[in-house]
Amino acid sequence: AQKITQTQPGMFVQEKEAVTLDCTYDTSDPSYGLFWYKQPSSGEMIFLIYQGSYDQQNATEGRYSLNFQKARKSANLVISASQLGDSAMYFCAMRDLNYGGSQGNLIFGKGTKLSVKP
Amino acid sequence: DVKVTQSSRYLVKRTGEKVFLECVQDMDHENMFWYRQDPGLGLRLIYFSYDVKMKEKGDIPEGYSVSREKKERFSLILESASTNQTSMYLCASRTGQQNYGYTFGSGTRLTVV
Repeated sequence: AQKITQTQPGMFVQEKEAVTLDCTYDTSDPSYGLFWYKQPSSGEMIFLIYQGSYDQQNATEGRYSLNFQKARKSANLVISASQLGDSAMYFCAMRDLNYGGSQGNLIFGKGTKLSVKP
Repeated sequence: DVKVTQSSRYLVKRTGEKVFLECVQDMDHENMFWYRQDPGLGLRLIYFSYDVKMKEKGDIPEGYSVSREKKERFSLILESASTNQTSMYLCASRTGQQNYGYTFGSGTRLTVV
């Protein structure tokens, strides 16, 4: 079965430092997509970054980058220069074409709560 | 920007009531989804729809139903609310293109007393 694992329920990071949030996934399909979302205390899920399984380079979006290691089935999110506003829940998700119809649905990990210390 | 609007941020309902959670998106997305989010369990898919009048069960459909009469609106219905349905409910939509993620609403925190 498809699965997303986030092993860090909570993490602390000092402001201005970099932090890595772990995500491993399991799928037998060669075609899949990986997503990271941020959920502040307000509740809304905010899309951060996407990595396709066939993409040659690791995705980057501003201070966010995705450390994609296909052979290890990991897709870790790296946040550089942490800010107080980065304090939130972070969810890793995978779109699997075998799940939920022909276009695939997202399955989510259980999330990591990041707290940025001043 | 795509906007997904959930009609209520907070709701308090009584056990046994019929509850409607409404979700509207403004970008002509084909696919819409309802998730519930509980601490330690992450997001779990309740129902989704890939077209008007079409619906598919997700992982936890028991106790819920849905309605999609118009493309922009996807309603979640709790036929007879129970206390174990107290949760955060998140609606999302997306296009059919594979490298697009979901756009989420701001969530409805439902308390059943």
